[in-house]
Amino acid sequence: GAVVSQHPSWVICKSGTSVKIECRSLDFQATTMFWYRQFPKQSLMLMATSNEGSKATYEQGVEKDKFLINHASLTLSTLTVTSAHPEDSSFYICSLQRPGLAANEQFFGPGTRLTVL
Amino acid sequence: AQTVTQSQPEMSVQEAETVTLSCTYDTSESDYYLFWYKQPPSRQMILVIRQEAYKQQNATENRFSVNFQKAAKSFSLKISDSQLGDAAMYFCAYLQDFGNEKLTFGTGTRLTIIP
Repeated sequence: GAVVSQHPSWVICKSGTSVKIECRSLDFQATTMFWYRQFPKQSLMLMATSNEGSKATYEQGVEKDKFLINHASLTLSTLTVTSAHPEDSSFYICSLQRPGLAANEQFFGPGTRLTVL
Repeated sequence: AQTVTQSQPEMSVQEAETVTLSCTYDTSESDYYLFWYKQPPSRQMILVIRQEAYKQQNATENRFSVNFQKAAKSFSLKISDSQLGDAAMYFCAYLQDFGNEKLTFGTGTRLTIIP
């Protein structure tokens, strides 16, 4: 299976600051990556689809100016939480889909826990 | 829009016994995929098993098997010979085939294994 890394694994920041989370595909090139958000004891909610070389597609209700996504290469997508507030505290998970793989399996990163004070 | 429902927020099973987790979904499509993902305390999402909707045969992976009822839009997961390492959140997920790669997750079932 694919190896997906996320950095950092956890981050604590002050309210009003910006935080960047990286998602890397370590063993294949991914044209599409996905960003999810998971609140405690809840399911994963898709925030946006990150496409290499083009603008991300955001789900309804997700502020694109607050959650900036940049998919600059086939192995790296970044999510920047701008002007973070305590309600942005959550677990952020990226995933990617391996081209040509049967059943369209998605591979998930280990997640990043964001705490905004 | 597709929806996925897991009606059991929590389940428990005695070690070595069998447990079944329920999942229903709603879709008007005929071609799609269904998945069960496991999320242990580490929070790493792990694929447990997948089912292609066009396949009538139920998928199996060692101790894990599914009961896929397409007409009833039901996709349950059976775990046999439960082990302590099976303790986790289990999410059922739907993926439409062709052109829509977005996974839709259910709300999850927390499985506890009783030693």
